[in-house]
Amino acid sequence: DIQMTQSPSTLSASVGDRVTITCRASQSIYRWVAWYQQKPGKAPKVLIYKASNLESGVPSRFSGSGSGTEFTLTINSLQPDDFATYYCQHYNTYSATFGQGTKLEIK
Amino acid sequence: EAQLVESGGGLVKPGGSLRLSCAASGFDFNTYHLNWVRQAPGKGLEWVSYISSSSSYIYYADSVKGRFTSSRDNAKYSVFLQMSSLRAEDTGVYFCARDRGEVRPGTGTTSMDVWGQGTTVTVSS
Repeated sequence: DIQMTQSPSTLSASVGDRVTITCRASQSIYRWVAWYQQKPGKAPKVLIYKASNLESGVPSRFSGSGSGTEFTLTINSLQPDDFATYYCQHYNTYSATFGQGTKLEIK
Repeated sequence: EAQLVESGGGLVKPGGSLRLSCAASGFDFNTYHLNWVRQAPGKGLEWVSYISSSSSYIYYADSVKGRFTSSRDNAKYSVFLQMSSLRAEDTGVYFCARDRGEVRPGTGTTSMDVWGQGTTVTVSS
């Protein structure tokens, strides 16, 4: 099975900062990666699909990049609403795997 | 607006069974694949199962294979997760999520663009 290693597990930042979250796959997975945001007690919300496609309605300060084994989610100019937990997801034939999550905290 | 609403969660003893339901509205249910994703208390997300639009393809995570069964009723715009031989580690919030259905080689889950609010399953004696 393909493993997704997400880092960091916790990230402290301030409003206005630019932050990057990384997911590394245990083998090449082309661009089959999505990114989600989850707030406490809520369902996840998709931000990015197929590595770099921005979901409709998601602010343009969110962007995704990567292919093969390394993928990044970048948030430019952090807003108060962005403090949440973020997950990457690899989707494979027959299954899907989420990263362990990154909790983005206010510094 | 596309919407998914889960129900059927509750408290069940180890070894017991439970059937979750997910009711869809606001989109052409018959053309979309669906997933179940769960989240243990304080933990991350775990994909559980995928069912294609016509039920032709159904896949499960290894952790639930042989114990959980996914099905759907397109006439009722609903998908179901029958859970049996439940264990303490099955405790968590279960989400129903619509699959985007990205075009790619093979079949199975892609990204998930609409999620329900979740239903809580607690397995405890």
